[in-house]
Amino acid sequence: GESVGLHLPTLSVQEGDNSIINCAYSNSASDYFIWYKQESGKGPQFIIDIRSNMDKRQGQRVTVLLNKTVKHLSLQIAATQPGDSAVYFCAENMGNSGYSTLTFGKGTMLLVSP
Amino acid sequence: NAGVTQTPKFQVLKTGQSMTLQCAQDMNHEYMSWYRQDPGMGLRLIHYSVGAGITDQGEVPNGYNVSRSTTEDFPLRLLSAAPSQTSVYFCASTRSGGAFNYGYTFGSGTRLTVV
Repeated sequence: GESVGLHLPTLSVQEGDNSIINCAYSNSASDYFIWYKQESGKGPQFIIDIRSNMDKRQGQRVTVLLNKTVKHLSLQIAATQPGDSAVYFCAENMGNSGYSTLTFGKGTMLLVSP
Repeated sequence: NAGVTQTPKFQVLKTGQSMTLQCAQDMNHEYMSWYRQDPGMGLRLIHYSVGAGITDQGEVPNGYNVSRSTTEDFPLRLLSAAPSQTSVYFCASTRSGGAFNYGYTFGSGTRLTVV
């Protein structure tokens, strides 16, 4: 079947390690950012989001950090589990109070070994 | 509550054929959009709609048409399929109050092959 992961950067970690996935975004006017997880054969699944007026946001086992100075976004996953293996995409959006186009990065494949 | 439903899941077309990819959501979301996903390319926006009767082009609209006659449905039409349209297509929607804390809900995709 089709592989979303072809030619994607890959991060390989051991179960229990912390994972950090990085993303550079392009538009300094973007005011809202989302991280998605995509498992093979499925659609993207919302993980966590952050507004541009925030530097950090935490969820369950996940933390997103935003550095607007260098237009960089990161997703930290604590105590990574084999079920976390997937392709992770960051996306930037303008106008979180309304609608606009959601622009995706190319993705990073996370491989978790037991 | 089915979320975002896409049909069909798989389709093979011959070059020049037309078809419609269906997308329906039952969450009363005003915003709906279509993306295509190619290996190593991430997801690219084709068309989107901010409400019934309103549509607009995204990054890669050529070769595709959309319409939005109801809040629930947002079909994507390929008028004359080309091999370059071989891809996985995703429909997404979000609520009228904005996507923060919620994100966009994606369907499970339609895998299209044009031969």
